[in-house]
Amino acid sequence: RKEVEQDPGPFNVPEGATVAFNCTYSNSASQSFFWYRQDCRKEPKLLMSVYSSGNEDGRFTAQLNRASQYISLLIRDSKLSDSATYLCVVTLNTGGFKTIFGAGTRLFVKA
Amino acid sequence: SQTIHQWPATLVQPVGSPLSLECTVEGTSNPNLYWYRQAAGRGLQLLFYSVGIGQISSEVPQNLSASRPQDRQFILSSKKLLLSDSGFYLCAFGRGTGRTEAFFGQGTRLTVV
Repeated sequence: RKEVEQDPGPFNVPEGATVAFNCTYSNSASQSFFWYRQDCRKEPKLLMSVYSSGNEDGRFTAQLNRASQYISLLIRDSKLSDSATYLCVVTLNTGGFKTIFGAGTRLFVKA
Repeated sequence: SQTIHQWPATLVQPVGSPLSLECTVEGTSNPNLYWYRQAAGRGLQLLFYSVGIGQISSEVPQNLSASRPQDRQFILSSKKLLLSDSGFYLCAFGRGTGRTEAFFGQGTRLTVV
């Protein structure tokens, strides 16, 4: 089983739509959680951290369910510029902190 | 401010040739350092991570090795490249505590021909 699993997509949505991405992780000792965004042929960049209480940044809302080992990202009112790959990221302490990325979910937002 | 530099940006190498990719970090001390590889259309695969000078953890058996000769320098190497080594190589650093994110270099696009 992969340490971090995501639906690869692609998700094709019209502008203005709401889209949700899901992610599961296998190690219950995982400590930190993030969503990254990666544009084509570019390096990943941090989108937002994910906290147990849930957190929101503008049109983006992230949720964490530790009991189910599940992370989500909700994008409201999608823009064309939201088109990218969204990566779920988990950090483990294995004697040194290790950051593990999911394979990513592709999103295409169309006019 | 903290910055990460990775070079070269692109590289074309023949099969069987050696490889050396270098990554340096500025503005932080004792960072965790990572090498990832991303094959075309695929996710990021963690290759190596390091929590300190000379301390390297390898995630997958492969044709590559890593070294950390200085606190803020991380090197990815190969003695003989294979076609399957082609990909997008990304260096990243984290601040060494679990709650902080990883910051990426701009990546090296390696094509083995």
